[in-house]
Amino acid sequence: DVKVTQSSRYLVKRTGEKVFLECVQDMDHENMFWYRQDPGLGLRLIYFSYDVKMKEKGDIPEGYSVSREKKERFSLILESASTNQTSMYLCASTPEVPVYTFGSGTRLTVV
Amino acid sequence: GENVEQHPSTLSVQEGDSAVIKCTYSDSASNYFPWYKQELGKGPQLIIDIRSNVGEKKDQRIAVTLNKTAKHFSLHITETQPEDSAVYFCAASSEEYGNKLVFGAGTILRVKS
Repeated sequence: DVKVTQSSRYLVKRTGEKVFLECVQDMDHENMFWYRQDPGLGLRLIYFSYDVKMKEKGDIPEGYSVSREKKERFSLILESASTNQTSMYLCASTPEVPVYTFGSGTRLTVV
Repeated sequence: GENVEQHPSTLSVQEGDSAVIKCTYSDSASNYFPWYKQELGKGPQLIIDIRSNVGEKKDQRIAVTLNKTAKHFSLHITETQPEDSAVYFCAASSEEYGNKLVFGAGTILRVKS
C-alpha cells in the first residue's frame, strides 16, 4: 500500500521556535507538495518540489522554507513560528500526472 | 493564475437523498478536475476525476460533470449514506502551470440518518 507519511499528527510549539515538519513518501514520486488547510480557505500551496534539491514557491511561502535532500523526503520549515501559522499542514506527492496522494496531516498549534 | 470557487460551504441531506456540489474555475487552460474526500483525522483522498475531453464520468454512486464553456464542474452523489459525511474538495490543474492543483474552499457534507 503506497503511503505518504507525516511524522507528527499533532504539534504544539512556542512563538519564535524553529519548527520542522517532515514528510516521507514510498512511491518514488518526483513531485512533492506542502499545503496548509484552514476552514473556509481550502488547501493553499506553500512550496513544492519537482526533484531532489529543487524547490519552488507556491501561493503563500512567506514565513516558510523547505528542504529536499532525498527524493523520498520533503521537509517544511517554519523559521520563526508565529500564531498565524497555527493550521493543518498537508504533504502530498504525485508522479507526472496530478493524481495526488496526501499524508494524514500535521495539526500545528503555535502558542 | 487559476481560481476555483466551490459551493455550498455546507450541505445537509437526508440519507438516501442526492447531494450536488458545484465548482467554477477561471483559467480556460485547466484540463484536469479531481474531487477529493477528507474524512475526520485523515488526509484528502481522490474519489473521482475528469479530464477536459470528457463531459461526464460515473463511478457507482458518484458522478462528475464538466461544462468547459461555462467553466464549471459538479460532483453528484446519489443514494447518500452516513459514511458519505466528510469534507469534499474540488480542484483544477493545467499542464501550463506544471500540473499543480488549485483547490476550492471545501464543502462539509452531512448525511442525516
